Amino acid sequence: EIVLTQSPATLSLSPGERATLFCRVSQNIGGALSWYQQRPGQAPRLVIYDSVNRASGTPARFRGSGSGTDFTLTISSLQPEDFAVYYCYQRHAWPLTFGQGTRLEIK
Amino acid sequence: EVQLLQSGGGLAQPGGSLRLSCAASGFTFANFAMIWVRQTPEKGLEWVSAITGGGDRTYYADSVEGHFTISRDNSRNTVFLQMNSLRAEDAAVYYCAKRSSVASGWIDYWGQGTLVTVSS
Repeated sequence: EIVLTQSPATLSLSPGERATLFCRVSQNIGGALSWYQQRPGQAPRLVIYDSVNRASGTPARFRGSGSGTDFTLTISSLQPEDFAVYYCYQRHAWPLTFGQGTRLEIK
Repeated sequence: EVQLLQSGGGLAQPGGSLRLSCAASGFTFANFAMIWVRQTPEKGLEWVSAITGGGDRTYYADSVEGHFTISRDNSRNTVFLQMNSLRAEDAAVYYCAKRSSVASGWIDYWGQGTLVTVSS
């Protein structure tokens, strides 16, 4: 099973600051990684797919990067609505797996 | 607009059964694979099962293999998860989700989630 390890577990920042979230994968998955945002009480929502592509409706301040085993989600200038939990997910191999999440909270 | 409307779920006794349904709209249902994902505070998001657009191939997590069955009815734009022999560890919020292609792809849309509780 491919294991996804997200860091940090919690990130405390202020609106307007830059957020950098990491997802390390236990084996090479090429670019087959996506990022999801989950707000309290809601279903996850696709933010980035195939490592670098913004989903429809994702603001330009979100940027995905990486390939192979190391991936990054960067939010350039945090807005109040960005504070949520973010998950990475790999579709390279069965079983499909998720990271444990990074909680982005307001400082 | 893509919509995935879930129904079913609720309370079941250990060893009991539940059937989850997910009615899709806003896209050509048969052209896309569908999956079920569950979420608990302890384990986070966990993939449960997947089915290809034509329903010809199904996939299961080891934890549910043999006691959950995924199926779909493309004439009704609906995907199902039949859960039998339920265990305490099956309690979770269950999401149906759409994949971005007929056989695989990323998850691009999620249902609203439905709570499954397993308790006597």
